[in-house]
Amino acid sequence: QKEVEQNSGPLSVPEGAIASLNCTYSDRGSQSFFWYRQYSGKSPELIMFIYSNGDKEDGRFTAQLNKASQYVSLLIRDSQPSDSATYLCAVRGGSYIPTFGRGTSLIVHP
Amino acid sequence: GAVVSQHPSWVICKSGTSVKIECRSLDFQATTMFWYRQFPKQSLMLMATSNEGSKATYEQGVEKDKFLINHASLTLSTLTVTSAHPEDSSFYICSAREVGGSEAFFGQGTRLTVV
Repeated sequence: QKEVEQNSGPLSVPEGAIASLNCTYSDRGSQSFFWYRQYSGKSPELIMFIYSNGDKEDGRFTAQLNKASQYVSLLIRDSQPSDSATYLCAVRGGSYIPTFGRGTSLIVHP
Repeated sequence: GAVVSQHPSWVICKSGTSVKIECRSLDFQATTMFWYRQFPKQSLMLMATSNEGSKATYEQGVEKDKFLINHASLTLSTLTVTSAHPEDSSFYICSAREVGGSEAFFGQGTRLTVV
């Protein structure tokens, strides 16, 4: 059974700090990795995706993938209160059906 | 980006009635649509995968006779919750994958409350 694990949090960081969100997965055949942000009562929205080992940067967001360790992370630089949300990690293998983690709640306090 | 519209955004219905939720891809054609259910503080749970013109594939434990899925066109899929009960109250979310695409885009979600 494919599993995606995330610490449910909450992760609390001060405004302007770096928030680090982590995710591990069980299926070594996983090929695609996604980070979604979900505000309370809303649908998830895609923030980043990464396919290759290493870092991928997009604005204040950096996704990091280490397939050997089966680990993917999301760094948010200069965190803002508006970044407060639940962050879902999703992992996909050869099919187009992703497996979602339970999400990590992030709180950015002023 | 690709837009997926889900309707209604919220619905309250009486126990025993049926509710239909629509999922439309507005600016692309969707080969595959996914239906998820999310309970409070839980992750997205995939209910079924539907491909245009064919029967939906349901995940283990999801009653196909209770959750009817129709994907009659490349831009529309519907989920009908039949004989709804309070335990069906949840947040239902669809996502759609573009023909030839790799990412799937989410609709806004539907908050269903059965009273």
